[in-house]
Amino acid sequence: LAKTTQPISMDSYEGQEVNITCSHNNIATNDYITWYQQFPSQGPRFIIQGYKTKVTNEVASLFIPADRKSSTLSLPRVSLSDTAVYYCLVGDMIYNQGGKLIFGQGTELSVKP
Amino acid sequence: DTAVSQTPKYLVTQMGNDKSIKCEQNLGHDTMYWYKQDSKKFLKIMFSYNNKELIINETVPNRFSPKSPDKAHLNLHINSLELGDSAVYFCASSQDRDRGYSNYGYTFGSGTRLTVV
Repeated sequence: LAKTTQPISMDSYEGQEVNITCSHNNIATNDYITWYQQFPSQGPRFIIQGYKTKVTNEVASLFIPADRKSSTLSLPRVSLSDTAVYYCLVGDMIYNQGGKLIFGQGTELSVKP
Repeated sequence: DTAVSQTPKYLVTQMGNDKSIKCEQNLGHDTMYWYKQDSKKFLKIMFSYNNKELIINETVPNRFSPKSPDKAHLNLHINSLELGDSAVYFCASSQDRDRGYSNYGYTFGSGTRLTVV
């Protein structure tokens, strides 16, 4: 499973757009990129998943360049409630070899008023 | 509500005791997991069950024994608890891997904070 690297922490202010970049240089052909959000005292929550180009849902956008060696989670107009830890994961979600998620250390996003 | 629910939410116990954590999902998922999150916030997989069959055991001590009576339940029993077992334990579930690409990822429970004193 591909290893991921992302910033340990980020600060932002309410109303700003936040972009969190994740590096995954040894991503495999069958690997998908998935982002999870974890609030204190809660379990991780699925945010978005993609394979290439751009994916958008009601919560966030995911930008994946052609080489797929990195990805960027974009949170539009963050609010205080977006303060959480964001995890980037890379794994084979189609055939799901082994069926497990490998979590890195995540990015602790702090949104200030 | 459709969800992954685990009980208890908090568990404080003495070293050497035996305790169990229960997990149930009503999402119709075929695969269930136990993850451990330590004080440094790292999430590590412990076990994975697919349709009541153990498919992953990540070198967890034998004191930890998962039990899956049916595909909607995955309980975790811990014998002879040690101080180092203190952590938050998360149960999760996902669609059967053989069904192909799922756009909904894994669903996690809210966690059980285990404190061994």
